[in-house]
Amino acid sequence: QSVLTQPPSVSGAPGQRVTISCTGSSSNIGAGYDVHWYQQLPGTAPKLLIYTNTNRPSGVPDRFSGSKSGTSASLAITGLQAEDEADYYCQSYDSSLSGSVFGGGTKLTVL
Amino acid sequence: QVQLQESGPGLVKPSETLSLTCTVSGGSISSYYWSWIRQPPGKGLEWLGYIYYGGSANYNPSLNSRVTISVDTSKHQFSLKLSSVTAADTAVYYCARRYCSSTNCYMWFDSWGQGTLVTVSS
Repeated sequence: QSVLTQPPSVSGAPGQRVTISCTGSSSNIGAGYDVHWYQQLPGTAPKLLIYTNTNRPSGVPDRFSGSKSGTSASLAITGLQAEDEADYYCQSYDSSLSGSVFGGGTKLTVL
Repeated sequence: QVQLQESGPGLVKPSETLSLTCTVSGGSISSYYWSWIRQPPGKGLEWLGYIYYGGSANYNPSLNSRVTISVDTSKHQFSLKLSSVTAADTAVYYCARRYCSSTNCYMWFDSWGQGTLVTVSS
């Protein structure tokens, strides 16, 4: 059971918008710690997608955006493309564990 | 562009110690935090621990002191040892780097190795 909670799966048609939630607690997201997002394509290592809640690394399309409020964060993907089909993970810091924590991951299916 | 490459045995017997090494190339091992993260087949990511290049380490308490991470700056490598392994430790093991600017280090992982599958079985 992961410290951060994500929906196991989401889906959307090409061109649509989907959001993936990441819910934490008062010892991680709610304590003000930043949330980061990773995309894991099948059979590959995770790749940094969003850092510090809202920032995109160079090369990440602006179709991907992040937000954070209270004890939760969200990843939004607009203009869905077939190549977006992947697993997405949120990550933060937890003060009670004194280390990094991940969400359980969300599988995005492009219909 | 820094590159990370994991290496080590792909098969470990139950109760033995799993040992992996991550070789860093194309960038400095100094002034960064270096991490191990694993992913059991079909499951999510689990942070195991990280070490600063100077040697101070932090571990996931859920591993009950079974994990040790060390760094050898002269070889541009850092290593993972996980003792008393069971089938539950079967996973793809990734090494990764925490991002650091010239003044601060942050909690996200900006570079990852390709991962190596370690199976625990007799």
